[in-house]
Amino acid sequence: GNSVTQMEGPVTLSEEAFLTINCTYTATGYPSLFWYVQYPGEGLQLLLKATKADDKGSNKGFEATYRKETTSFHLEKGSVQVSDSAVYFCALSDSGGYQKVTFGTGTKLQVIP
Amino acid sequence: NAGVTQTPKFQVLKTGQSMTLQCAQDMNHEYMSWYRQDPGMGLRLIHYSVGAGITDQGEVPNGYNVSRSTTEDFPLRLLSAAPSQTSVYFCASSYGGGRAEEQFFGPGTRLTVL
Repeated sequence: GNSVTQMEGPVTLSEEAFLTINCTYTATGYPSLFWYVQYPGEGLQLLLKATKADDKGSNKGFEATYRKETTSFHLEKGSVQVSDSAVYFCALSDSGGYQKVTFGTGTKLQVIP
Repeated sequence: NAGVTQTPKFQVLKTGQSMTLQCAQDMNHEYMSWYRQDPGMGLRLIHYSVGAGITDQGEVPNGYNVSRSTTEDFPLRLLSAAPSQTSVYFCASSYGGGRAEEQFFGPGTRLTVL
């Protein structure tokens, strides 16, 4: 079956530091890949997505590139802010029937001033 | 638009009690889902619906019932609560069922079963 593996958290960074959160996946076919973000006390919201190999998703300074050869979708941001503190979920959606989304376990990011 | 709303935000039950978690969306989305979020396990799909009158089981359906009588509402019923159902529950909706569709999540219900 499908699976998503994320790096263990929590990740603690100082403001303006560079962020990488690793995500690798296992899937058959050609899944879409997503990053969702969950701010404290809220539901998940889409941060970015990519639907085919070599696509780059980007939003709010975050980027991730769909790498089929390494089955990865790592999230990066050049300069984090305190307001980026949240839990980040990598997810995939396979191509069979109704969108069956598989989520990773989430990585908590804490940014300190 | 209110988006996806869930009630209640918090609930404490005793083992064996039943209750209904409410979910509503005002975006005219056909697809709706219920997930539970547990520490170290990410989100797991409980039940989903592809339209009014149509529901199906997800990854962890045991102990839960759903129905979808309208496009807007998708309640989740716990038949006889157990401590293993202590979790945070999220309802989500999407316009379509394609693999690139964004899901919109409610704020969640934190349930504790004693």
